[in-house]
Amino acid sequence: QKEVEQNSGPLSVPEGAIASLNCTYSDRGSQSFFWYRQYSGKSPELIMFIYSNGDKEDGRFTAQLNKASQYVSLLIRDSQPSDSATYLCAVQVTADKLIFGTGTRLQVFP
Amino acid sequence: KAGVTQTPRYLIKTRGQQVTLSCSPISGHRSVSWYQQTPGQGLQFLFEYFSETQRNKGNFPGRFSGRQFSNSRSEMNVSTLELGDSALYLCASSLWTGGKSPLHFGNGTRLTVT
Repeated sequence: QKEVEQNSGPLSVPEGAIASLNCTYSDRGSQSFFWYRQYSGKSPELIMFIYSNGDKEDGRFTAQLNKASQYVSLLIRDSQPSDSATYLCAVQVTADKLIFGTGTRLQVFP
Repeated sequence: KAGVTQTPRYLIKTRGQQVTLSCSPISGHRSVSWYQQTPGQGLQFLFEYFSETQRNKGNFPGRFSGRQFSNSRSEMNVSTLELGDSALYLCASSLWTGGKSPLHFGNGTRLTVT
């Protein structure tokens, strides 16, 4: 079992819709969770981080964490074509090691 | 504040050669992590350094090594290059606050081994 799992996609959504990206992780002791966005040919950039169970909102983005189910998700409201990218889920498995999923490719079509 | 700087941006090497990649973290960041990114495997953790000490290492052969200097700049070295080492190598720095400090990535070094 991989430490961090994501559906590779592509996830295709129409402009203006809600995109839902999911991630599961195997280490129950993980405490910190991050979402990164990576455009083709670019390096990953941080979108959000979440440490506590529940929801965390930042603009059009909402991160959701359920430690009991070992599940973290990212919702993108009012999706735009510029949101088309690969979204990487990352889990802090130790204080000095961050493990990434292989990413979900999101396509937002006009 | 300047971001994470990686040099060079592109490298072409031949099998059997060695290569050294360089990374300058964001000013004030003392933790530097290195990742290998390939289309099939995604981002794979190589190692992490803090205050010139390697604190964690991923599942890579001993041909992959690194070091960190007193000014937090870091280098990674790959010896006896293989075709499978062709990848994007990403360096990331963080403040490191006990595991709740996000990584900030450089633009990467794209290594091609022929």
